[in-house]
Amino acid sequence: KAGVTQTPRYLIKTRGQQVTLSCSPISGHRSVSWYQQTPGQGLQFLFEYFSETQRNKGNFPGRFSGRQFSNSRSEMNVSTLELGDSALYLCASSLYGYEQYFGPGTRLTVT
Amino acid sequence: AQKVTQAQTEISVVEKEDVTLDCVYETRDTTYYLFWYKQPPSGELVFLIRRNSFDEQNEISGRYSWNFQKSTSSFNFTITASQVVDSAVYFCALSAEETSGSRLTFGEGTQLTVNP
Repeated sequence: KAGVTQTPRYLIKTRGQQVTLSCSPISGHRSVSWYQQTPGQGLQFLFEYFSETQRNKGNFPGRFSGRQFSNSRSEMNVSTLELGDSALYLCASSLYGYEQYFGPGTRLTVT
Repeated sequence: AQKVTQAQTEISVVEKEDVTLDCVYETRDTTYYLFWYKQPPSGELVFLIRRNSFDEQNEISGRYSWNFQKSTSSFNFTITASQVVDSAVYFCALSAEETSGSRLTFGEGTQLTVNP
């Protein structure tokens, strides 16, 4: 079975721009979660989607949003990028939400 | 609120030594799940194990073993006869169904370096 895939793997953006990251879960998995990893804050939960509905949300500003499509693929969008948004963004998929399997991540650099 | 503490920021050992990574958690939920993940330099988090709060049996998988003790709120991870390939950052994580659903709360991570 193919693992979780994330695109792009690396991204460089300028402050004020917006960015969209994509995640394709393991086939059959209906839950997709997003996490942000930074040296200062560690791994933090952004949100989770299950069957196209946001089921859980972390403590991030409204500039961070996401969605899930009928094929379970998910996208995450960050608008009005700030320098502090530079991070590794990890996507995880699971069957029902418990054992989460992570993708390789998208490393976003904001300049 | 949930909290996971990994007090050991960095551990350095010589190959073939045994090493234990500590994890202490806090939650008010009675049903919860504990996890360990490995993050090699490539960045991908690799799932190692999941335990639920009702199963305190220790588990062994090859060179890896886990010790879950509810009395001390700990879920420690031991690597026996460590190898260079074990070098990575290891994260302990918690999810508590009632209050947070499947969201994982991670510890700060422990950087393990195994020297040849």
